[in-house]
Formats: sequence, structure tokens, C-alpha cells
Amino acid sequence: QKEVEQDPGPLSVPEGAIVSLNCTYSNSAFQYFMWYRQYSRKGPELLMYTYSSGNKEDGRFTAQVDKSSKYISLFIRDSQPSDSATYLCAMSANEGKLIFGQGTELSVKP
Amino acid sequence: GAGVSQSPRYKVAKRGQDVALRCDPISGHVSLFWYQQALGQGPEFLTYFQNEAQLDKSGLPSDRFFAERPEGSVSTLKIQRTQQEDSAVYLCASSGSGEQLHFGNGTRLTVT
Repeated sequence: QKEVEQDPGPLSVPEGAIVSLNCTYSNSAFQYFMWYRQYSRKGPELLMYTYSSGNKEDGRFTAQVDKSSKYISLFIRDSQPSDSATYLCAMSANEGKLIFGQGTELSVKP
Repeated sequence: GAGVSQSPRYKVAKRGQDVALRCDPISGHVSLFWYQQALGQGPEFLTYFQNEAQLDKSGLPSDRFFAERPEGSVSTLKIQRTQQEDSAVYLCASSGSGEQLHFGNGTRLTVT
């Protein structure tokens, strides 16, 4: 079993929908939780960063971390076609080596 | 440029050949990471440098993989006697002290 599990999708939604992406993990030492967006043939770019449990909001994006359940989520409101990409969760026990999920491929249809 | 630069962008190697992949991190970034991303998978950690010191190489899959960062700036990932299973995108990332990782666009290696 992998340390970080993420449903690979693909996920297809209509423009304007609310998107929910999530990951589960097994290592209770993880304290830093991130979501990256990766467009085709590009490197991952950081979307959201959360330390320990709680919620964080940035524009249309909300990240949630529930350490008691070892579960993290990313919500995208009012999704746009430009949000179509692969979304990767990543986590770390310290501010160094990241463990990534498999990535969820999202397509937002106009 | 201001970002992490990787070269070449694409590399085709015949099985058994040696390859060298280059990473130019953001100027002044102390930490440098290499990741391997297979098709349809998330990046997997290979190795980590702090300045010129290789602090963690636990993710290197075999002794055919070797990484160096001799002057604490540019890094090279070398793969000897390439095998088909080495085909992947190799990502480099750098960070300053207490900052988040900045990734390059990767080198796509295809071993035929």
C-alpha cells in the first residue's frame, strides 16, 4: 500500500461546477500538506500549502486537512476550463522531501 | 530566466547508453531535489542536496543512478546503462530557506 492514495480519475465536470479532490495517507508523521497543479508537459506548480490540520482558502480554492482521519481535500469553486489539469496532493514530515499522490486528471467542459 | 531550467527537454537513448540530465536551479536556492515521474503517476523522490552535500539519496532506484552538485548550484543526474524501465520524466526542484519547492518542466527520457 502506498503512503499516499489519490483517485486518478479522470474527472469531468461542466464549467461552473464545484470540484472536490481528495487524498488519504498512512504516515502520521506528515505535517505539511500541499496541492500542486500540473499542466501537460509542464512541471508541478504549488496551489495550496497547509501546515497541520485546518482549512485554508485562496480565491476559488479551499484546502482542508483532517489529521485525525488522515484525509486531505481540495475544493475548486466556479470551475473554469483553464482549471483542466492534473492535481497532485503532496505531503511531508518536514520541509523537505515530498511524497506525492498519483494525481487526479480533471477536465472542465465549457 | 527566473525559474528552474532543465536540459535537455527530451532525450532518446538506446538501451545500454549512459545519459546526463542537467538542472539549473533558481539562483541562490540552497536545496535541490530530483524526482522521477512515470506516465500517469505522481513524482517520486530520488535524491536531495543542500548546497553541494547530498543529504538523502534513498530514492535512487539502483546504483546505475548517480547525482552530483559539485559547486552547490547546477546539478547533474546521470543514468548509466539505461534500461527501458528508466523511461520517465525527470523533474528537478529547488527551494530557498523555508520556501516552497519550485519545479522545472522536466526532461522526458525515452529508452528504446
